[in-house]
Amino acid sequence: GDSVTQMEGPVTLSEEAFLTINCTYTATGYPSLFWYVQYPGEGLQLLLKATKADDKGSNKGFEATYRKETTSFHLEKGSVQVSDSAVYFCALILLGGGSNYKLTFGKGTLLTVNP
Amino acid sequence: DSGVTQTPKHLITATGQRVTLRCSPRSGDLSVYWYQQSLDQGLQFLIQYYNGEERAKGNILERFSAQQFPDLHSELNLSSLELGDSALYFCASSVATWVGETQYFGPGTRLLVL
Repeated sequence: GDSVTQMEGPVTLSEEAFLTINCTYTATGYPSLFWYVQYPGEGLQLLLKATKADDKGSNKGFEATYRKETTSFHLEKGSVQVSDSAVYFCALILLGGGSNYKLTFGKGTLLTVNP
Repeated sequence: DSGVTQTPKHLITATGQRVTLRCSPRSGDLSVYWYQQSLDQGLQFLIQYYNGEERAKGNILERFSAQQFPDLHSELNLSSLELGDSALYFCASSVATWVGETQYFGPGTRLLVL
């Protein structure tokens, strides 16, 4: 079945360090890919998305490129801040027949950034 | 603040009981989505409604049901509760039907089943 695999956390970095959170997927069709972020005590927020191969999603200094050949959508940021501390979820959406679709999330990666 | 409201924030109940979670979407949003977040299952999509009609179903148990009312608010009903139903339940909303639209999440309802 469809699945999303994220690197296991937690990830702990110092401020201004480079961040990569790996995400790979398995899908029976051609999915759209998303990164969501969940700050402590809050709901999820869409961080970025890409709907076709080679698209790059970007927002708030974060980037991810949809790589169909490696079925990956790794999240990167060049210089993290303490305020980036949160849980990050990779997700895919696959359209099925008619209006049906499947929405699948990874297990989340906890990022802690220390000053 | 996403504009999506959920009530109650916390709910403690006993096994076998029934509870109702409520969600009010952002003004103008026609789609409402329900998610369950638990430590063992992670984040799972349960169900989506669009303008009062069920649009898509995910991993929703038969003991759970939802509906969207004419004023577009939605309720998630959980019955015959089990310990394993303890989780954080999120509601999200979006303008259109396509799930790839940006979804705005509420703060969640934390359910504890004792």
